[in-house]
Amino acid sequence: DAKTTQPTSMDCAEGRAANLPCNHSTISGNEYVYWYRQIHSQGPQYIIHGLKNNETNEMASLIITEDRKSSTLILPHATLRDTAVYYCIVRPDYAGNMLTFGGGTRLMVKP
Amino acid sequence: KAGVTQTPRYLIKTRGQQVTLSCSPISGHRSVSWYQQTPGQGLQFLFEYFSETQRNKGNFPGRFSGRQFSNSRSEMNVSTLELGDSALYLCASSPWGVADTEAFFGQGTRLTVV
Repeated sequence: DAKTTQPTSMDCAEGRAANLPCNHSTISGNEYVYWYRQIHSQGPQYIIHGLKNNETNEMASLIITEDRKSSTLILPHATLRDTAVYYCIVRPDYAGNMLTFGGGTRLMVKP
Repeated sequence: KAGVTQTPRYLIKTRGQQVTLSCSPISGHRSVSWYQQTPGQGLQFLFEYFSETQRNKGNFPGRFSGRQFSNSRSEMNVSTLELGDSALYLCASSPWGVADTEAFFGQGTRLTVV
């Protein structure tokens, strides 16, 4: 699977948009970009995924650059409950239920 | 619909012992994966089972093994425990594994080896 690079930590003010970047410059054509987050002492939680088009759901938006070498997860109105470690994962669909987690970004939402 | 259930939630074992952890997937899910999470190595994939067969395996020693039953429940076993096996062990399930958009994780079992 392609390797991902994320900032170690970020801060965001409550109510503001949180923009979490991810670099995946070695991504191949059949690999999807997935985002999961892990709130302290809980199992990871799926947020969103995409191949090449931008995606939006009730939790977040995913912006993938045209060359697919990087992406940004956007939490439009961050709340204190969004404080978590966010993982960007690249995986092909045939990989089964097998996820390769990197170090992730520790997002701290502050009042 | 009940989520992924892992038992026990906490466990303390002595070096050299063995341990068995259990995971009950969401009803109807046939793929179960296991992960180890430590402060030093982060979240690492152990193995995945589908229809009672191991389909993928991570880079862990043979002391780590697993199995899946016909009802999709899964167990993982660690033999000859070492201090470094202290970790949070997470289980995830999904309907098919391949091409599923989302894996659902349990709360994990925190294993402490003393």
